[in-house]
Amino acid sequence: NAGVTQTPKFQVLKTGQSMTLQCAQDMNHNSMYWYRQDPGMGLRLIYYSASEGTTDKGEVPNGYNVSRLNKREFSLRLESAAPSQTSVYFCASSEGPAAYEQYFGPGTRLTVT
Amino acid sequence: AQSVSQHNHHVILSEAASLELGCNYSYGGTVNLFWYVQYPGQHLQLLLKYFSGDPLVKGIKGFEAEFIKSKFSFNLRKPSVQWSDTAEYFCAVNSGGSNYKLTFGKGTLLTVNP
Repeated sequence: NAGVTQTPKFQVLKTGQSMTLQCAQDMNHNSMYWYRQDPGMGLRLIYYSASEGTTDKGEVPNGYNVSRLNKREFSLRLESAAPSQTSVYFCASSEGPAAYEQYFGPGTRLTVT
Repeated sequence: AQSVSQHNHHVILSEAASLELGCNYSYGGTVNLFWYVQYPGQHLQLLLKYFSGDPLVKGIKGFEAEFIKSKFSFNLRKPSVQWSDTAEYFCAVNSGGSNYKLTFGKGTLLTVNP
């Protein structure tokens, strides 16, 4: 099993450009999450999907949109990238609510210039 | 809103030294508590978790943590660290029930010198 996979691994964008970060899991998990990790800030939840067909805002949703395409895939879109969105983005999945262990992907390092 | 405090930003130890990393949270109700670890170049992975029962929980690689409800704390310990324990450690808290939100602390970077 690959677990949680993310593409791309690295990306450089110019301010105002858009892009979609892809995430897929092969563990048949119901719930999926997007976090961003900034130096000295820990991980902050952007959006989550409790189950297929549902999405909800986390702690820092502004500037992002998500799509739960099916049970396996959960994408994160930046419509108009800003330098403040320079970060490492992690996708995670779990069987259910956050009381369950979350399994993390390898991360996407995004730089917005 | 839930908040999680990790007291140490960077801890430097020599091999065989004992380790204790502090974690405090703000929510006073039922909580689920976690320590995650991120080794250099690797994914975050679960080290240990507490849901209920014995407040002293044991995790992988010889780590343990103690939940002290009266102090809102969940400190991570290891009696003798190894160079391979060099990593960033994150405490995380979930407020229980059907809550999907996991709140992370800012992390503690542990450097173990051989």
